[in-house]
Amino acid sequence: DIQMIQSPSFVSASVGDRVTITCRASQGIYNWLAWYRQKPGKAPELLIYPASSLQGGVPSRFSGRGSGTDFTLTISSLQPEDFATYYCQQTNSFPLTFGQGTKLEIK
Amino acid sequence: EVQLVESGGGLVQPGGSLRLSCTASGFNFGSDNMNWVRQAPGKGLEWVSYISSSSNTINYADSVKGRFTVSRDNAKTSLYLQMNSLRDEDTAVYYCAKRIALVGYYAMDVWGQGTTVTVSS
Repeated sequence: DIQMIQSPSFVSASVGDRVTITCRASQGIYNWLAWYRQKPGKAPELLIYPASSLQGGVPSRFSGRGSGTDFTLTISSLQPEDFATYYCQQTNSFPLTFGQGTKLEIK
Repeated sequence: EVQLVESGGGLVQPGGSLRLSCTASGFNFGSDNMNWVRQAPGKGLEWVSYISSSSNTINYADSVKGRFTVSRDNAKTSLYLQMNSLRDEDTAVYYCAKRIALVGYYAMDVWGQGTTVTVSS
C-alpha cells in the first residue's frame, strides 16, 4: 500500500497569512494526488486534483504543486473559512490512501 | 442540485450487522463510480470501498475485506454497504462519495453528509 505522510500535522496562522502544507508518498504516484478541506462537522470537499488543477468554484488563493512523491498545497492569503483540516489522497492505485491530515488553527 | 444522502447508521453490538444506504440525486448515478469513506471519532479519513458504475469492479480496504459488501441499485439511484461482524474499530462516520466522472480520475468530488455507526456493547 502507498503511505501518505503530511507535514506539519498542526499549523497555527493568522488571517492573511500564507501557508504551505506538504504531502509525501511512499512511492511515485505521478500526479495522482488530491487535496481536500474538511471543516469541523462537515464532509470533506475537493480542492485540487490532479496535483495542481483547481476544482471548479475553489478560490484562486489555493494552489497545488508537485509530482512523483512530493507535493504541496499553498493557501496564499488565509480566510476565516480556511481554518479547517486538510487531507491529501493518492489515487494512483488501490487501496486509495489519505494522509493523516493537517489541522490549520487560528493563531 | 447534486446530492448524496446516507442513512442506516446506528448503535450495534460487536459482532452485529448493519446496512448503510446512500441515495443520489441531481446527476446520472448509473454512469458514476462510487466510494465509501469513513472517519473514526477524532481521526482522519479512511477509504473503505469502491464500486464501478456497472458493479463489475469492486475494491475494499484490507481492514473490511471479507466483512463488508458494497452494492448498488442504479434503478433506485442507491448505493449500499452491508457491514457484518462489526468491531469496535468500525465505529465511525461513514460517507458515500462520487468519483470524478473522468476516465482515470479517482478523486471524489461529491460527498454526502455522513451517517454515524457506533459499535459498542
